[in-house]
Amino acid sequence: DVKVTQSSRYLVKRTGEKVFLECVQDMDHENMFWYRQDPGLGLRLIYFSYDVKMKEKGDIPEGYSVSREKKERFSLILESASTNQTSMYLCASSFSTTSNTGELFFGEGSRLTVL
Amino acid sequence: AQSVTQLGSHVSVSEGALVLLRCNYSSSVPPYLFWYVQYPNQGLQLLLKYTSAATLVKGINGFEAEFKKSETSFHLTKPSAHMSDAAEYFCAVSPSFTGGGNKLTFGTGTQLKVEL
Repeated sequence: DVKVTQSSRYLVKRTGEKVFLECVQDMDHENMFWYRQDPGLGLRLIYFSYDVKMKEKGDIPEGYSVSREKKERFSLILESASTNQTSMYLCASSFSTTSNTGELFFGEGSRLTVL
Repeated sequence: AQSVTQLGSHVSVSEGALVLLRCNYSSSVPPYLFWYVQYPNQGLQLLLKYTSAATLVKGINGFEAEFKKSETSFHLTKPSAHMSDAAEYFCAVSPSFTGGGNKLTFGTGTQLKVEL
């Protein structure tokens, strides 16, 4: 089974702190994604990566950055956390082949509260 | 461009009753379509997917969905609801490009409640 592991299930941070959310997948997937989930808004794509050191902005990248130094690991960084970044963050991965349907495999989520 | 509309943010059914969760999509190219389920405090799990083969797709836990191009719909059904089906359900669409790296666009979700 594909396993996508998010390092922290629950975090509480203060406004202005730098926050790191880590994600590791064990299936040699090329693609990795960070989504944000909020009630009534569904999942919104923050950033994604097609390869090591490659990154592209999603729909809501403001206030976030990412890092992908190794194929299996994709980090989401909040440079200066704000209360409006309180949310559930979901990491996902997928294959990148000519037959790729876009199917994603998700981690269990990291619930971040910024006070 | 692609988008998904899920009608009804909350659906309530009785145990044993039919479950129907609605999803309409918009896509400029032939789509791939997905239903995911999310149980409380967990990530999303794939229920089923349509990838241009059979239009009636069967998934896990007794769910199925039918792709109807004329109606641009991909509604999720289950003949008889069980208490364990209570969860949030997300419909998603991606373009049927080849070449990989496709991105999914998600609907806003439907919370299913199952009552005794």
